[in-house]
Amino acid sequence: AQSVAQPEDQVNVAEGNPLTVKCTYSVSGNPYLFWYVQYPNRGLQFLLKYITGDNLVKGSYGFEAEFNKSQTSFHLKKPSALVSDSALYFCAVRHDTGTASKLTFGTGTRLQVTL
Amino acid sequence: NAGVTQTPKFQVLKTGQSMTLQCAQDMNHEYMSWYRQDPGMGLRLIHYSVGAGITDQGEVPNGYNVSRSTTEDFPLRLLSAAPSQTSVYFCASSRTGSSYNSPLHFGNGTRLTVT
Repeated sequence: AQSVAQPEDQVNVAEGNPLTVKCTYSVSGNPYLFWYVQYPNRGLQFLLKYITGDNLVKGSYGFEAEFNKSQTSFHLKKPSALVSDSALYFCAVRHDTGTASKLTFGTGTRLQVTL
Repeated sequence: NAGVTQTPKFQVLKTGQSMTLQCAQDMNHEYMSWYRQDPGMGLRLIHYSVGAGITDQGEVPNGYNVSRSTTEDFPLRLLSAAPSQTSVYFCASSRTGSSYNSPLHFGNGTRLTVT
């Protein structure tokens, strides 16, 4: 079965410092990986995706993610955190079920950026 | 462009009542889906549809029905509400169901409480 794991419930970082939100995956076949962000009382918003190609994927709001096949990881990164980045972040893997591809989400990591 | 619109935003039901959560999208997306979000469990897929007249079950379909009579609308019906269905429900759509390149677009959610 396809799955993703987010080992940290919460990540705390000071504004201006780099941030990393961790994600590991388990898939059969090629991985198709996504990051989404959820702000309070809102739906999820797409940040970035890895399909094929470069291992460093750039996305919205200055975020990027590093795909590492040997470690089966897809960590979300940002060089300099902002207080406005505080939100809930979800890693997801897309897999083919025969009739459609589905997204399976991790449990989410809450990012708290403080001044 | 409204995107994905969910109504109502909040709902309180008594055990055994039925209701329909509405979802509409104006992006001409083929693929639509329903997720529920529970603390510590991420998002779990309830039902999905790859086009008008075609629906299929997701990870947690029991107690829910769906239909897709038009491209735009994908209502979720709770047949006999139970306290275990207390959750936040999200509708999401994407351009196609088979392309790994299509990110999901989410509505802002319906917060349902069953007493």
